[in-house]
Order: sequence, then structure tokens, then C-alpha cells
Amino acid sequence: QKEVEQDPGPLSVPEGAIVSLNCTYSNSAFQYFMWYRQYSRKGPELLMYTYSSGNKEDGRFTAQVDKSSKYISLFIRDSQPSDSATYLCAMASNFGNEKLTFGTGTRLTIIP
Amino acid sequence: KAGVTQTPRYLIKTRGQQVTLSCSPISGHRSVSWYQQTPGQGLQFLFEYFSETQRNKGNFPGRFSGRQFSNSRSEMNVSTLELGDSALYLCASRRGGQTDTQYFGPGTRLTVL
Repeated sequence: QKEVEQDPGPLSVPEGAIVSLNCTYSNSAFQYFMWYRQYSRKGPELLMYTYSSGNKEDGRFTAQVDKSSKYISLFIRDSQPSDSATYLCAMASNFGNEKLTFGTGTRLTIIP
Repeated sequence: KAGVTQTPRYLIKTRGQQVTLSCSPISGHRSVSWYQQTPGQGLQFLFEYFSETQRNKGNFPGRFSGRQFSNSRSEMNVSTLELGDSALYLCASRRGGQTDTQYFGPGTRLTVL
């Protein structure tokens, strides 16, 4: 069993919809949680990071962490065609100093 | 500010050969990490270098090695290439502090025939 599980999709939604992306994990030591966006033929780009449990909002993006359930989510409001990409969750037990453990990524397509 | 650069962007090699990939971090960043990305396994951590020293290592065979130079540029070497080494190899740089963010380069696409 992988330490981080992520539904690979693909996920297609109409423009303007709310998108929910999720990951579960098994390692209780994870304290830092990140979401990266990766466009085709590009490297991952950091979207959000949170420490421990709670919510964090940045524009149309909201990240949620529930450590008791070992479950994290990324919500995208008012989705745009430019949001079409692969979204990767990543986790670390000691942010920066330790390796990032990634989910396999969810491919998202926003249909105009 | 220039981002992380990786060269070459694309490589085709045959089984048994060796390959060297290069990564130039963002100016001022002292830490470089390498990841392998494949469709089946996703992104997997290879190793991290900080101030020319390997600080962390993932679960890859000894055929995968790396080094970092005094200017923080890093190279990754894979010897005796296997078909399964075909992947996108990504490097990420960060300043090196406890909470610093990792910034990724565009990757090197390696195909082993």
C-alpha cells in the first residue's frame, strides 16, 4: 500500500463548477501538506501548503487538512479552462528538510 | 529571477548506457532535490543535496547517483540504463531552511530503448 493515495481520474467538469480533489495517507508523521499543479510538459508548481489540520484559502483555491482522518482536499471554485492540469498532493514530516511524498496525481479537464 | 533550469530537456539512450543530467537551481538556493516521475509510480524522491553533501536518499538502486558543486549546480547520473528508467526526471531547488518551498524545473525526459 502506498503512503499517499490519490484518485488518478481523469476528472472532467464544466467551466464554473466547484472541483474537489482528495488524497488519503497512512503516515501519521506527516505534518506539512502541499498541492502542486502540473501542466503538460512542465514541472510541478506549488499552489498551496498547510501545516497540520485546518483550512487555508488563496483566491479560488481552498486547502483542507483533517489529520484525524488522514485526509486532505483541494477545492477550486469557479473553475476555468486554464485550471486544466494534473494536480498532485504532496506531504512531508519535516517541511523542506525531508523528502516530499507525492500522490500519483489527478488529471483535471475544465470543459468550456 | 530565473527559475530552475534542467539540461538536456530530452534524451534518448539505449540499455546499458549511462546518462548524466544537469540542474541549475534558482540563484541563492543551496538545496537541490531530484525526483523520478513515471505514469505508474508518480513522483518518487531520489536524493537531496545541500551545500555539496547528500542529506537525504530515497529507495533507488546504487545505479542512481548525484553530486552538487560549490555553485549549487547539481548533476544526476544513471549507470547501466534499464528500460524501466524511462521517465521524467525533475529537480527542485530551495533556499535550504526548515520551511522553504521547493521550486521545480521543467524536467528531463529520458527514454531508454
